[in-house]
Amino acid sequence: GAGVSQSPRYKVAKRGQDVALRCDPISGHVSLFWYQQALGQGPEFLTYFQNEAQLDKSGLPSDRFFAERPEGSVSTLKIQRTQQEDSAVYLCAISSGRETQYFGPGTRLTVL
Amino acid sequence: GENVEQHPSTLSVQEGDSAVIKCTYSDSASNYFPWYKQELGKRPQLIIDIRSNVGEKKDQRIAVTLNKTAKHFSLHITETQPEDSAVYFCAATYNAGNMLTFGGGTRLMVKP
Repeated sequence: GAGVSQSPRYKVAKRGQDVALRCDPISGHVSLFWYQQALGQGPEFLTYFQNEAQLDKSGLPSDRFFAERPEGSVSTLKIQRTQQEDSAVYLCAISSGRETQYFGPGTRLTVL
Repeated sequence: GENVEQHPSTLSVQEGDSAVIKCTYSDSASNYFPWYKQELGKRPQLIIDIRSNVGEKKDQRIAVTLNKTAKHFSLHITETQPEDSAVYFCAATYNAGNMLTFGGGTRLMVKP
């Protein structure tokens, strides 16, 4: 659990605003995942990086969602023109390749 | 893609009783099945996992069983305690370093 931090922990945005969510893993974790967890539901996959390469973005719900990990460490998930349905907890998870995924504390996004 | 179903959605037991949560998966290629515990407002935390080359794994009061033929796996918690109260998620994937597909979660309540 202490292997990854996320910021901000809480974000309130007005509909139409852009937001940027940060995931900061400790060094040495090759794989980084983003998940979206709606209230009362299980996490759902958004996108996956291996080092700086984004290998799978099939879970991104629309072209308003964009993720990057330019130096293979810190990752940013950006949501443009936020909508109310984007309200959720955004979880970052890390693993060292074939090992288990460990989650960060998440960012709770509320779009008003 | 993979689809994971989890039952029951809520489970209430008396302290000291056992609790069983069941999951089924659809993709026969899946070979890694972790279980996460999520307390209110906290990150999902791995409690136990099983790979498809074994049928059962135990860690103190927690055990997981896997039936590859039937494509289902179960979490067993014995001698439940109030601190076991949380939401439990099962997940499935092909190899531990790939995206996880989660079940819908089970809210376990242990009454003292």
